[in-house]
Amino acid sequence: TQLLEQSPQFLSIQEGENLTVYCNSSSVFSSLQWYRQEPGEGPVLLVTVVTGGEVKKLKRLTFQFGDARKDSSLHITAAQPGDTGLYLCAGEYGANNLFFGTGTRLTVIP
Amino acid sequence: GAGVSQSPSNKVTEKGKDVELRCDPISGHTALYWYRQSLGQGLEFLIYFQGNSAPDKSGLPSDRFSAERTGGSVSTLTIQRTQQEDSAVYLCASSFQANYGYTFGSGTRLTVV
Repeated sequence: TQLLEQSPQFLSIQEGENLTVYCNSSSVFSSLQWYRQEPGEGPVLLVTVVTGGEVKKLKRLTFQFGDARKDSSLHITAAQPGDTGLYLCAGEYGANNLFFGTGTRLTVIP
Repeated sequence: GAGVSQSPSNKVTEKGKDVELRCDPISGHTALYWYRQSLGQGLEFLIYFQGNSAPDKSGLPSDRFSAERTGGSVSTLTIQRTQQEDSAVYLCASSFQANYGYTFGSGTRLTVV
C-alpha cells in the first residue's frame, strides 16, 4: 500500500508567518505532485517534482522532493489569506496513476 | 469546454435509490479517474480508465458501485441502492500522463437521506 502521510493535518497561522507542510511515505515514487483545493472546487495542480533532491519555487511557495523520492515538503513564505485551502500531495506509481495523501488544511488569518 | 465537466453539481437522493454521476473529460486526455472525498478528508481512489484497456476497479468500495467510459470519452459512475455512507463529493479527473498532473472537475456532491 502506497501510504502518503501529511503533517500537520490542520494548521492555522497569522498572515505574514512562514510555514512548512510535510508529505512522507515508505514508498518510492517516480514523481510527486502538490495540489491545492478550495471549498466547492476540485484540487488544482501546483507543481510536479521528478528528480530526487529537486527544488521548485512558485512565487512564495517552495517545493522540495526528498533525495530518496519518498518524501516532500512545501514551504510558504509570508502566508496570505489567499493561501487558505486544503493542500494535497500525490505520488505517482505504476503506469499513469497517483496516490493522494491525507491532506493538510491551512487557514491563514488576516 | 476546456476543463473537466461534472454533472450534476449536487444530488440529493433517498436511501435505496440508484444514482448516475457524469464526467466529461478534457478532449485528448486518455486517462480518466474517479475519486471520492468525504467531508474535509483526502481523496479516496475509486476507478481508473486508460484508453481501451480494462479499467482498474480496485478502489470501488462495494459491488453497488460501477463505472463505464464510452467511446474513450464521457464516463458515468453508477451507485446502486445508495446508502447514507455513500454521501460524499465525487470527483472526476483526467490526464494526458500522470506526471503532467491531473485536471479535476468541480465534483458532484451526493447526499443520501
